[in-house]
Amino acid sequence: KQEVTQIPAALSVPEGENLVLNCSFTDSAIYNLQWFRQDPGKGLTSLLLIQSSQREQTSGRLNASLDKSSGRSTLYIAASQPGDSATYLCAVGGEDRDDKIIFGKGTRLHILP
Amino acid sequence: GAGVSQTPSNKVTEKGKYVELRCDPISGHTALYWYRQSLGQGPEFLIYFQGTGAADDSGLPNDRFFAVRPEGSVSTLKIQRTERGDSAVYLCASSPDRSTYNEQFFGPGTRLTVL
Repeated sequence: KQEVTQIPAALSVPEGENLVLNCSFTDSAIYNLQWFRQDPGKGLTSLLLIQSSQREQTSGRLNASLDKSSGRSTLYIAASQPGDSATYLCAVGGEDRDDKIIFGKGTRLHILP
Repeated sequence: GAGVSQTPSNKVTEKGKYVELRCDPISGHTALYWYRQSLGQGPEFLIYFQGTGAADDSGLPNDRFFAVRPEGSVSTLKIQRTERGDSAVYLCASSPDRSTYNEQFFGPGTRLTVL
């Protein structure tokens, strides 16, 4: 059974710092991995989708890497801003087309002005 | 509309009551998913529709939960005899078709509180 773990559960950093959020998964037989952002009381916004054949994806100040064989992904946020404060969720999709997407519990990020 | 919409945004009910939660997916998306997110947890899969049929309902916690999508577009999640443990945010997502290969687009969720 696939399990997704995100560390740390919560993180507070001063504005302007670069930071890394971690995601690990127990079954390396994944088709893709996705990072989402969730603001309080809101739904999920997709940030980056990495296919299993890819090593990383970049969007603006965000960079997500994937090491499928070791079951790990990182989300790197450069030059953090107060507007980056949110919960970041990692989710993996299995290789079987009928597999469900499995989410981690998320990392609550707070950027201090 | 441009995105997935869910109504109501908030629902407060008393233990034992019946509730219905509605999801309007992105137009043309054949796949529709319901998730439940408890406080401090990630979303957990409840049920998936491909068109009008519930292709996978293995995530429904018990027979008090039921969902329909009669015309292959709007879906309603129905909860009978609500319990305090049902309190959570219920998220709906849609996708062009059924596959983890495709990105899912999420609605804002319905926050259900059972008193």
